[in-house]
Amino acid sequence: GAGVSQSPSNKVTEKGKDVELRCDPISGHTALYWYRQSLGQGLEFLIYFQGNSAPDKSGLPSDRFSAERTGGSVSTLTIQRTQQEDSAVYLCASSWGLAGNEQFFGPGTRLTVL
Amino acid sequence: GESVGLHLPTLSVQEGDNSIINCAYSNSASDYFIWYKQESGKGPQFIIDIRSNMDKRQGQRVTVLLNKTVKHLSLQIAATQPGDSAVYFCAENMDTGTASKLTFGTGTRLQVTL
Repeated sequence: GAGVSQSPSNKVTEKGKDVELRCDPISGHTALYWYRQSLGQGLEFLIYFQGNSAPDKSGLPSDRFSAERTGGSVSTLTIQRTQQEDSAVYLCASSWGLAGNEQFFGPGTRLTVL
Repeated sequence: GESVGLHLPTLSVQEGDNSIINCAYSNSASDYFIWYKQESGKGPQFIIDIRSNMDKRQGQRVTVLLNKTVKHLSLQIAATQPGDSAVYFCAENMDTGTASKLTFGTGTRLQVTL
């Protein structure tokens, strides 16, 4: 595809369940980012993958959050034992990976934890 | 400005007038700044960027001004149009060692009135 895609677009789950959110970056982009956006707030950095380097996980809010990037392309953000405060829009972005290059964002996954 | 919960600072501008959106950034060591536009239900979209060795950069109908002395960034939109209605975020690169790890401000909502 031409842009970053994310699935699902909406996810409603019950407290305590695990969820997986998927991101397909732009083909050829070596850097991939996950952000979280709570209602009416700015974006909160979660995790960053760059090529084959170890990911920068410094933004993950707890050990219930994890992410993988397989084959340098698709990424999955997993939230275990979801809590109501996890409700937010989860945004993925990708870039060519060089410092300062534009990040292209996907449309996001809106997660609602009941 | 800062937002409190759901209440983003809002700028109302009449169609055809110029808009100025301001942002205060936090880290004097940041060397790269970006403005993003986010329409309802969509991911952020890149508008314009500027590096710290510049104090002004112009794009199509948009100008970004950087004042490093007071850590202030502004986005000027000329001849504002209804399609400019969105939430605007400034972002700074605070971690120059790992490229493009952005920290976002809380955003300003621009409302264009006819």
